[in-house]
Amino acid sequence: DTGVSQDPRHKITKRGQNVTFRCDPISEHNRLYWYRQTLGQGPEFLTYFQNEAQLEKSRLLSDRFSAERPKGSFSTLEIQRTEQGDSAMYLCASSFEGAQPQHFGDGTRLSIL
Amino acid sequence: DQQVKQNSPSLSVQEGRISILNCDYTNSMFDYFLWYKKYPAEGPTFLISISSIKDKNEDGRFTVFLNKSAKHLSLHIVPSQPGDSAVYFCAARLGAGNNRKLIWGLGTSLAVNP
Repeated sequence: DTGVSQDPRHKITKRGQNVTFRCDPISEHNRLYWYRQTLGQGPEFLTYFQNEAQLEKSRLLSDRFSAERPKGSFSTLEIQRTEQGDSAMYLCASSFEGAQPQHFGDGTRLSIL
Repeated sequence: DQQVKQNSPSLSVQEGRISILNCDYTNSMFDYFLWYKKYPAEGPTFLISISSIKDKNEDGRFTVFLNKSAKHLSLHIVPSQPGDSAVYFCAARLGAGNNRKLIWGLGTSLAVNP
């Protein structure tokens, strides 16, 4: 399967804990995007990378959130000191340059107890 | 401020009939529009797209129409099949210089009844 892969699919954690998600994009794609989706909403842009450079961060991305793409391949999204409001589906997408369409993974569903 | 609006949260259609999903936008900087389909517990799957310089794009049972003057686009599915039942998202891309990120509508849940 050469699609976008996200791990884990589900994460349940207690409030205050740190969590880290991983995204493996399609191999030839140099752009990687993170989105967050809550119930009844469309995906909301969080941040994106061109190769290893993080080029934009949304206002939605508080200081508790950090994303990396150290070698320009896979990316990680870390949330520190999780809060109830962080419960959502976190989606990763990739594309070549700004070309469309962006291809999405199946997401990581985060539940905060 | 919702720049991409899907005003119908749900739509129910009989199998074999046409499904029409609508989307309105406000930002004239959008240069590309896409429709994605999403099943529960899966990520969005790309369906069809249209450049802002065109007014129609067709792919099999799916046709997207763009009316730039009205800032409106629609997705037509004909004939509709039960397997088309899913949530459909309209997304718009900001042009070059705006990092080409996608702005999404809230989605329309389509139910195709046998």
